[in-house]
Amino acid sequence: QQPVQSPQAVILREGEDAVINCSSSKALYSVHWYRQKHGEAPVFLMILLKGGEQKGHDKISASFNEKKQQSSLYLTASQLSYSGTYFCGTVEYGNKLVFGAGTILRVKS
Amino acid sequence: NAGVTQTPKFQVLKTGQSMTLQCAQDMNHNSMYWYRQDPGMGLRLIYYSASEGTTDKGEVPNGYNVSRLNKREFSLRLESAAPSQTSVYFCASSGQGANAYEQYFGPGTRLTVT
Repeated sequence: QQPVQSPQAVILREGEDAVINCSSSKALYSVHWYRQKHGEAPVFLMILLKGGEQKGHDKISASFNEKKQQSSLYLTASQLSYSGTYFCGTVEYGNKLVFGAGTILRVKS
Repeated sequence: NAGVTQTPKFQVLKTGQSMTLQCAQDMNHNSMYWYRQDPGMGLRLIYYSASEGTTDKGEVPNGYNVSRLNKREFSLRLESAAPSQTSVYFCASSGQGANAYEQYFGPGTRLTVT
């Protein structure tokens, strides 16, 4: 079942923070985050495997609330290079990775 | 180390024509995947191969066939192209199953069916 991402799009100025949410109605084994720049391939950011786990990647971090089947991606002090489409992917127990529809992030100077 | 490569980069087909999209990886990965990406719909899994010699259907397999030629190569075939298959196709690979391991994506093939 495809996870639901919100917001669908967000515009920021450099230095501002953003949060992208990903939710599922099913129990999740893992949550994956990818970023795709226009005209390019998706690039892996991080995987979260445990309930309540939080990971970081430079100024991008994420949390996974296993009980609520939700994950959030936090972008701190955004840079122009953060622009792109962010996809979460979720894995239900016994099933395959399914990607959400994506959140378009645009950072302006 | 080229990672994941795909050919061709662009292709235009007429309805009913057939073609094969090629994918190869040089990372010694066991698992390989084919996705299609349409505006507003994210990435949808067409077929995957957990290991050499095995293939399985994903979310949207109708109209496609795959071949895991060896550990490196995984091809996607459209037997009779339809306009609904106009999309960007990505091949990906991972060391183990996608559930707990990152996937590496190729640059994509932009296919238009007229």
